[in-house]
Amino acid sequence: AQTVTQSQPEMSVQEAETVTLSCTYDTSENNYYLFWYKQPPSRQMILVIRQEAYKQQNATENRFSVNFQKAAKSFSLKISDSQLGDTAMYFCAFMNFLGGGADGLTFGKGTHLIIQP
Amino acid sequence: GAVVSQHPSWVICKSGTSVKIECRSLDFQATTMFWYRQFPKQSLMLMATSNEGSKATYEQGVEKDKFLINHASLTLSTLTVTSAHPEDSSFYICSARKDRANTEAFFGQGTRLTVV
Repeated sequence: AQTVTQSQPEMSVQEAETVTLSCTYDTSENNYYLFWYKQPPSRQMILVIRQEAYKQQNATENRFSVNFQKAAKSFSLKISDSQLGDTAMYFCAFMNFLGGGADGLTFGKGTHLIIQP
Repeated sequence: GAVVSQHPSWVICKSGTSVKIECRSLDFQATTMFWYRQFPKQSLMLMATSNEGSKATYEQGVEKDKFLINHASLTLSTLTVTSAHPEDSSFYICSARKDRANTEAFFGQGTRLTVV
């Protein structure tokens, strides 16, 4: 079974600053995907960014980028030019991709990110 | 985009009764749906995988007789909490994929269940 660890229960930064959320995972599989999801107070899960394990290039989506270190099983999220709307819970998630099919997601415990004005 | 709708958004039921939660994919067909449970200020825990036309696959520790899952069509999966008790109170979230090979999951808005 795989595990996902987020060691920062809460982080707070000033608006426009850059913040990095950490995530480590443990798995014996080779074919998998990693995700960062955002959960605002509305509780709607929103996909922030996705990384295929077989790709060495780090994924980027506008102000969001990841630092994927496969050997270290590390998958951190960097948010540049943080905005008030980025305030939310952020979950790191792992997904196996076995037999041509995707499994359900294994989530970390989450990091509550607060962007201060 | 792909939209997944859950109904109801919140429900209060009496202890011992059953409650059904619906998860619908509105603009795509979903061969696979997933049900998660989220306790207050905690993470999402996968409960079961629902495949259209076949029995659901439950995660270890999830009581299949208490949490009945039905995926009778390509756009609808239901979770029925049977003989609910206060400890079943939680936030339940579904997600759907277009097919098993598709890695993007679309989430419903969740259902807050309170058992009194």
